[in-house]
Amino acid sequence: GAVVSQHPSRVICKSGTSVKIECRSLDFQATTMFWYRQFPKQSLMLMATSNEGSKATYEQGVEKDKFLINHASLTLSTLTVTSAHPEDSSFYICSARTGVNTEAFFGQGTRLTVV
Amino acid sequence: DQQVKQNSPSLSVQEGRISILNCDYTNSMFDYFLWYKKYPAEGPTFLISISSIKDKNEDGRFTVFLNKSAKHLSLHIVPSQPGDSAVYFCAASARGSGTYKYIFGTGTRLKVLA
Repeated sequence: GAVVSQHPSRVICKSGTSVKIECRSLDFQATTMFWYRQFPKQSLMLMATSNEGSKATYEQGVEKDKFLINHASLTLSTLTVTSAHPEDSSFYICSARTGVNTEAFFGQGTRLTVV
Repeated sequence: DQQVKQNSPSLSVQEGRISILNCDYTNSMFDYFLWYKKYPAEGPTFLISISSIKDKNEDGRFTVFLNKSAKHLSLHIVPSQPGDSAVYFCAASARGSGTYKYIFGTGTRLKVLA
């Protein structure tokens, strides 16, 4: 299947700082990428849909000023958690599709811990 | 409102036997369903999918069954292997309405005993 690479896999940051997570489609172009968040023992919750060259579409309840998404190219989307707080600690996962009617491939995920 | 539900948080099965994982959904607009496998601290891996025009899709040891009238789908793994031990998520999408977002269930942790 297609490969989606997410970096970093693990990050620890101090409260009040910002953290950037990258999601790359390695062997295909992805006009749309998705960002998810998973709390322990819970489902994957869609945060936002990232569209290349345009603004991201955020799900209800997700603060767009808190979670900045940039999809500057067809192979890269970034999620920046701004002014991170301990409650932002979570597992963040991106996914991308090779086409509109295809299954999504997921990155390895990023474990964010805010101390 | 949980539109996709996996009511069994965990399941243990003996190696070589069949594993059956269940998933229920409430949104009748869903027309595409997928199963993903996830190991701890990793992203989900796609396993198998099914469109609402079918009631069964098979890929090797994995078979997904869809019962639209009951809004229920299941994943059968036969024979189960210890390497299948992971958390399995079902996901649904309403492609016909132009939405390509996936809604995930809460997952079922499968443990295959050697």
